[in-house]
Order: sequence, then C-alpha cells, then structure tokens
Amino acid sequence: LAKTTQPISMDSYEGQEVNITCSHNNIATNDYITWYQQFPSQGPRFIIQGYKTKVTNEVASLFIPADRKSSTLSLPRVSLSDTAVYYCLVGGPNSGNTPLVFGKGTRLSVIA
Amino acid sequence: DSGVTQTPKHLITATGQRVTLRCSPRSGDLSVYWYQQSLDQGLQFLIQYYNGEERAKGNILERFSAQQFPDLHSELNLSSLELGDSALYFCASSSQIGGSYEQYFGPGTRLTVT
Repeated sequence: LAKTTQPISMDSYEGQEVNITCSHNNIATNDYITWYQQFPSQGPRFIIQGYKTKVTNEVASLFIPADRKSSTLSLPRVSLSDTAVYYCLVGGPNSGNTPLVFGKGTRLSVIA
Repeated sequence: DSGVTQTPKHLITATGQRVTLRCSPRSGDLSVYWYQQSLDQGLQFLIQYYNGEERAKGNILERFSAQQFPDLHSELNLSSLELGDSALYFCASSSQIGGSYEQYFGPGTRLTVT
C-alpha cells in the first residue's frame, strides 16, 4: 500500500494560487492519485483524480510528473471558503482489499 | 448533498453501553465504507462491505462490528463503549469495489461517550 506524505498545514491569502504537494515514492503501476477536501464536521468530498501528467476540472488541477512519485494539487485563486483539510490518497481500482489511507491531510487556512 | 444518509446525527451515551449507527448508501452503490475520525485526527478506515460481503478490514476494534443488509444499508455496532470511542463516524459509498473509485461521504454521526 503506497504511503503518502504531505505538509501538515499551509496558510495562504485570498486570491492566491495554492499548491499542495504530496509524496508517494512507492506508488504502484496501476495506482491512481486522488484528492479529497474536508470541511470541519463534514464528510470528505472528492476533488480530483489522476494517473499521469495533468488533470483539470472546475475546482482544481492535478500535476503528476513522469516518475509519479509525487503530485501537486493546485487551487487557483483561493477564497476563505477553501479553508479545509486536503487529503492525498494513492490506490488502484482493484485495491478493494487494501483500502485507501486518508491520514491527517494538509490543513489549509486562507486568510483575508 | 452526497446522497448518503446516516442516522442518528448525534448520539450521547455512557461507558459500557452499546450503540448502532446506520448508513444508507447512494442509490445503486454496492460498496459501503466506515471511518472513524477523532478530534484532530485523520480519517481511520474501519471496514468495507461490498454487496453484502465484508471486503476489507482496517483498524477496527473487536468491540466493533458491522454488516451490510440485502437492501445495501449498513450498520456499525459499537459495544462496551469507552471514552476514547468518542468520535465522528462517517459512512461512505461507492459504485465500485476498489478504494480508488470516488467515495461519497455521509454527514457523519457524532458519538459522545460520557
């Protein structure tokens, strides 16, 4: 099971771009990288998922280098409402018996 | 609204007691996951069911058990409760068996053991 390492916390001002990097050195060939967002006292919410290169949706972008040993979640022009915990997870579609490990995530604080 | 429902929202009980948490997955989802989140802790995976069968186990205590019924709803039973069991318990559902598929989380049940 691929282990992930991400910063415990980050601060940013409103309107800035925020990049959160996650390390996953022992990622397996068929593993995907998935990011979730969690607001206080709420369940996590899926943000984005990717396998390689770059994925973009209406919320964020995910950059994955060729060696796939790390990934970067990019949040454009953050607002106060983006204050949350962000989890990076690594796992494959057939990892039913090795569930994803959420860990403690990165606590992002957006300041006005 | 994720489409996953959990009841009750809040539960306060005494040490040594037993409680049951209930989860209804999104319509059509066959996988149900249970997670525990203590104060300032990350999400700890407890157990997964897929179409009624136990699929994976995490750090679930022997005092805890779960099941998934034919209508796909799931229950998490917590017995001989201790103060340290106070936490938010989340249920999530997914259409697939693999953990990498998008999981939809319910609003959680906040359990307080006094």
